[in-house]
Amino acid sequence: GQSLEQPSEVTAVEGAIVQINCTYQTSGFYGLSWYQQHDGGAPTFLSYNALDGLEETGRFSSFLSRSDSYGYLLLQELQMKDSASYFCAPSGGSQGNLIFGKGTKLSVKP
Amino acid sequence: GAGVSQSPSNKVTEKGKDVELRCDPISGHTALYWYRQSLGQGLEFLIYFQGNSAPDKSGLPSDRFSAERTGGSVSTLTIQRTQQEDSAVYLCASSLGEAYNEQFFGPGTRLTVL
Repeated sequence: GQSLEQPSEVTAVEGAIVQINCTYQTSGFYGLSWYQQHDGGAPTFLSYNALDGLEETGRFSSFLSRSDSYGYLLLQELQMKDSASYFCAPSGGSQGNLIFGKGTKLSVKP
Repeated sequence: GAGVSQSPSNKVTEKGKDVELRCDPISGHTALYWYRQSLGQGLEFLIYFQGNSAPDKSGLPSDRFSAERTGGSVSTLTIQRTQQEDSAVYLCASSLGEAYNEQFFGPGTRLTVL
């Protein structure tokens, strides 16, 4: 079967570092994507990890461990504009479809 | 360049009516997806089109839902005999190549069934 777990809510202060964990179970795993969605907006792509290890893009980094079916998104130097929902989305099945969970709502406080 | 567009942006309908939602993907994108997002919830996969292959309809919640993609471009999602539980934001996305590639989302259609 398929399952996906990530925290429902995280709160942090401006300038801090926050890590959003994701554990998943899918058949035919291809890789792990992360998307950001601001309230009222459409999801936007942040990163994709196909191989184990850390991928860094500016203030955001994403990590994948295929053997542990685990990944995380690391947000550094938090800014108020980072307040949004963050979805981890493993790709699986026969065609690599993305599986989205309920996401993690990140609130950044001043 | 132009992104993914969807129309209408908002649709209010009465229970039992049929609705059609339209998606114009990014030109050249071979893959097109429909998702549904209820208030405060995650994205629920509905259907996936890839090139000329048969669509993956595994996410459609009932036979009242159908979708087509004409000429490998524009897609229409049709919901027949709408129910109140169909109320949600319907999001369309497109991508180059495989489903795990970056998906570009449209602004969505907010459907309200009274």
